[in-house]
Amino acid sequence: GAGVSQSPRYKVAKRGQDVALRCDPISGHVSLFWYQQALGQGPEFLTYFQNEAQLDKSGLPSDRFFAERPEGSVSTLKIQRTQQEDSAVYLCASSLEWADQPQHFGDGTRLSIL
Amino acid sequence: EDKVVQSPLSLVVHEGDTVTLNCSYEVTNFRSLLWYKQEKKAPTFLFMLTSSGIEKKSGRLSSILDKKELFSILNITATQTGDSAIYLCAVEDNTGKLIFGQGTTLQVKP
Repeated sequence: GAGVSQSPRYKVAKRGQDVALRCDPISGHVSLFWYQQALGQGPEFLTYFQNEAQLDKSGLPSDRFFAERPEGSVSTLKIQRTQQEDSAVYLCASSLEWADQPQHFGDGTRLSIL
Repeated sequence: EDKVVQSPLSLVVHEGDTVTLNCSYEVTNFRSLLWYKQEKKAPTFLFMLTSSGIEKKSGRLSSILDKKELFSILNITATQTGDSAIYLCAVEDNTGKLIFGQGTTLQVKP
């Protein structure tokens, strides 16, 4: 596709439910990043893939957060046993190479935990 | 701890004004600095800066990096209402991840 595609655009879940957020990067982009953006703040790094390898997951806030990119293209961010503090916009970005290339962002998934 | 600080946090100007947005950083393993514009959806890429003193320009927008003093500025001349947005500054470290500032919210009034 022309840009990074994320789905769903909006997700409302009850506290304790599991959610899965999808990211479809720009075709041919090797690197894929997940960020979390709280209201009124800049995005914060969660995790990073180069092809199917998850090279950095230092930003994942807890072991309830899990990300995968099994075939080196589409990625899924899963949050188990959601809590209210998980409410945020989750942004996905992709880039042609692992560094020195600008990251291009999707529109994000706005997650609200009730 | 790595950090990126933007100022001002918010700014209101009138059409035709010139604005300067500031970004300072303390990042151990700096690779590049990027500016993004965020309206209601995805942050859209504006500039990527790697070398000091070389101005990058795109229409009414320009940006420059000072790696000695650890800051960057984004200038917008002859502002228009369509420039209203959040402007994000981010530093790329040597792992490739971006460290963002809080953003500057710019409102341009007609």
